[in-house]
Amino acid sequence: AQTVTQSQPEMSVQEAETVTLSCTYDTSENNYYLFWYKQPPSRQMILVIRQEAYKQQNATENRFSVNFQKAAKSFSLKISDSQLGDTAMYFCAFISPSGTYKYIFGTGTRLKVLA
Amino acid sequence: EAQVTQNPRYLITVTGKKLTVTCSQNMNHEYMSWYRQDPGLGLRQIYYSMNVEVTDKGDVPEGYKVSRKEKRNFPLILESPSPNQTSLYFCASSLVWSTEAFFGQGTRLTVV
Repeated sequence: AQTVTQSQPEMSVQEAETVTLSCTYDTSENNYYLFWYKQPPSRQMILVIRQEAYKQQNATENRFSVNFQKAAKSFSLKISDSQLGDTAMYFCAFISPSGTYKYIFGTGTRLKVLA
Repeated sequence: EAQVTQNPRYLITVTGKKLTVTCSQNMNHEYMSWYRQDPGLGLRQIYYSMNVEVTDKGDVPEGYKVSRKEKRNFPLILESPSPNQTSLYFCASSLVWSTEAFFGQGTRLTVV
């Protein structure tokens, strides 16, 4: 079965510093997609970044970037120049067409940015 | 405005009383799905739909039903709710299965 693991339940970072959130997954598939979603206290889920497994290049969106290591099945999220508005729950997610199209989420990492 | 709308936002009900949580999207998305979010467990997919009249079970489908008669609507039905279905529920839609998911505002359900 495909699984997604986020081993850091909580993290904190000082404003303007850099923080990395880890995510590992397990699959035997070669074609799949990975996502990071953010859930601020408002509870609205928002896409942070998306990575296609067949692309070697790591995805980047402004201050957010990923380190995608396909062989190691690792998909970490780096937040640079952390801002107070980055305080949120972050979820890693996976989907593949391997006979089903189920979305699998990790258990989340609660990130607090400190002033 | 492009959005996913789910209603109600909050609901308290009693065990066994059938309820429906509605979900509608105005983006012509093909893929829609329902999730429940519980502390320490993240989001777990209940059901998903690849397109009209095509639905399939996610990881936690027991006690839930869905239908997809129209592209825009994907209601979640609890025929006989039980206290273990107390949770925060999200509906989401994507253009297709591999693209960004847009989420509704969430429904906080309490079953007493």
